[in-house]
Amino acid sequence: ETGVTQTPRHLVMGMTNKKSLKCEQHLGHNAMYWYKQSAKKPLELMFVYNFKEQTENNSVPSRFSPECPNSSHLFLHLHTLQPEDSALYLCASSQAPGARKTQYFGPGTRLLVL
Amino acid sequence: EDQVTQSPEALRLQEGESSSLNCSYTVSGLRGLFWYRQDPGKGPEFLFTLYSAGEEKEKERLKATLTKKESFLHITAPKPEDSATYLCAVQAGETSGSRLTFGEGTQLTVNP
Repeated sequence: ETGVTQTPRHLVMGMTNKKSLKCEQHLGHNAMYWYKQSAKKPLELMFVYNFKEQTENNSVPSRFSPECPNSSHLFLHLHTLQPEDSALYLCASSQAPGARKTQYFGPGTRLLVL
Repeated sequence: EDQVTQSPEALRLQEGESSSLNCSYTVSGLRGLFWYRQDPGKGPEFLFTLYSAGEEKEKERLKATLTKKESFLHITAPKPEDSATYLCAVQAGETSGSRLTFGEGTQLTVNP
């Protein structure tokens, strides 16, 4: 595996379900990110992790719970989601958080909440 | 608040017909402007980073330029495989850290 991988690629869940998204980066980076991409809207930053520590939470509802056990893995735990949470969820990584550090993205998980 | 506006929203070109995409930004202290390409159902793919006005970068048929208010992505003699959504993002401010503010993108279609 190379770059940034995400699983599953597609997910359909009911509003009462609990599911998790997984991201793994093979680039030796120290920072990882979760973004949300909704139709006709710009990418929205959700969370930032640096060396496993959360450094930014962009006012994300508590039904989204991130976890970063090490610098290579990032999870997004989902529970009691709403239909408006349906979107493409993208994971990214960079050498470290900060200016001029390029973020590299995974392929995303397409989430549909029924 | 940082703002990024991309135009046009959509662009159709014939193969070989050169054109430019625009990214206008309003930020406090630009630290970097990033261009990405995104194919349907995939994550954004990094193309270029520009740091200061006057800077230019090229890759194959693509050339990115930067002024104090906007960036252009010039596409020379495009091919159908250049069809994608092109995203612009800025990083700004002393305390912004790694935060990227994205535009809505330009959807490019190149017809054979």
